[in-house]
Amino acid sequence: EPEVTQTPSHQVTQMGQEVILRCVPISNHLYFYWYRQILGQKVEFLVSFYNNEISEKSEIFDDQFSVERPDGSNFTLKIRSTKLEDSAMYFCASAGDSNQPQHFGDGTRLSIL
Amino acid sequence: QKEVEQDPGPLSVPEGAIVSLNCTYSNSAFQYFMWYRQYSRKGPELLMYTYSSGNKEDGRFTAQVDKSSKYISLFIRDSQPSDSATYLCAMVMNRDDKIIFGKGTRLHILP
Repeated sequence: EPEVTQTPSHQVTQMGQEVILRCVPISNHLYFYWYRQILGQKVEFLVSFYNNEISEKSEIFDDQFSVERPDGSNFTLKIRSTKLEDSAMYFCASAGDSNQPQHFGDGTRLSIL
Repeated sequence: QKEVEQDPGPLSVPEGAIVSLNCTYSNSAFQYFMWYRQYSRKGPELLMYTYSSGNKEDGRFTAQVDKSSKYISLFIRDSQPSDSATYLCAMVMNRDDKIIFGKGTRLHILP
């Protein structure tokens, strides 16, 4: 069964450094999402992306965050200057069309030191 | 009032029992309802996806939606130790919309 894949599985970064989290959505999907889950808390929406532009973003998704679909297969989340509070699991999700539910990858655990 | 409320558990039941997991929500604009299962160190895995009020069955799983009461349930029949996981209720207003998750219920099935 097709799946969303994310790399790396664990990223350790010094505070203030830039980090890029990578996702390969399911191949024929058109809608892309990033969510995060701080330890012990709910999964929270960050941003949705469709037709090469951001559809919606949450208040968490400030100027330090950006997303990109640099080619036909990858979808990336960049955090420009990481903070301690960015430590979380980051999940990528994709959906085939507006009639389909979102499918999630296994996440990248981001640890900021 | 929180948008989606879910008892975090943990909930421990013996193998073979029927499990009932529930969520309530406050916003009547939610139209589509999902249940995801999440194993430790894994991403949410879609179990059930429903729209209308009523029941939807898939194998040992039944999802129930009551829009008038703003209440959704997931029933697991003949529970197995492999069902031990965190179960997340989730909902969206429109199909391509952001998902709002409950906090998740940790379920332990005791052999």
